[in-house]
Amino acid sequence: ETGVTQTPRHLVMGMTNKKSLKCEQHLGHNAMYWYKQSAKKPLELMFVYNFKEQTENNSVPSRFSPECPNSSHLFLHLHTLQPEDSALYLCASSQDTWESSNEQFFGPGTRLTVL
Amino acid sequence: DAKTTQPPSMDCAEGRAANLPCNHSTISGNEYVYWYRQIHSQGPQYIIHGLKNNETNEMASLIITEDRKSSTLILPHATLRDTAVYYCIVSYDKVIFGPGTSLSVIP
Repeated sequence: ETGVTQTPRHLVMGMTNKKSLKCEQHLGHNAMYWYKQSAKKPLELMFVYNFKEQTENNSVPSRFSPECPNSSHLFLHLHTLQPEDSALYLCASSQDTWESSNEQFFGPGTRLTVL
Repeated sequence: DAKTTQPPSMDCAEGRAANLPCNHSTISGNEYVYWYRQIHSQGPQYIIHGLKNNETNEMASLIITEDRKSSTLILPHATLRDTAVYYCIVSYDKVIFGPGTSLSVIP
């Protein structure tokens, strides 16, 4: 138990569906992250939020839309996804994004399958 | 961020020390060395990090060479539960994961 929770743990959706992934951290951290891990590939950083402001968008397609209403919650809204978007989506948090404070705590991930 | 090079896979006998190497020859002065691991289908887990000095915690030891161009993560008494992919990352403000080293602890 890392203090970072993600729901749902598994999600199957069609290409025309709209769904949202939720992440919540109970650690009092200021920074939150979304990562994507496709089969047999390294983790890819998608988005970074620091004090609720988006500070990083790694050229992620617009069908992925993040939302950070406060420092404890992070959402990833999904719409018109493609089968190649099937992956493990991981949320993480850290005290902040600056050096020496960048120990990240990860949630268990959401296993997404797009049909 | 500096690039790291790790062996793709390693084996270690249960109860023995596991020494996982990492090369980061282009590391800059303000970049830290971080180690994470990921057990199959779980989220990565932070292990340890350091800047110049060797570090030790309850999980592992981190040995950084004097020129900071390489480091070694040491798991002093490997158990079967240490079987995982281990990631070495050098970072100032962003954690970028490479392919890592797949460590298999063998009974």
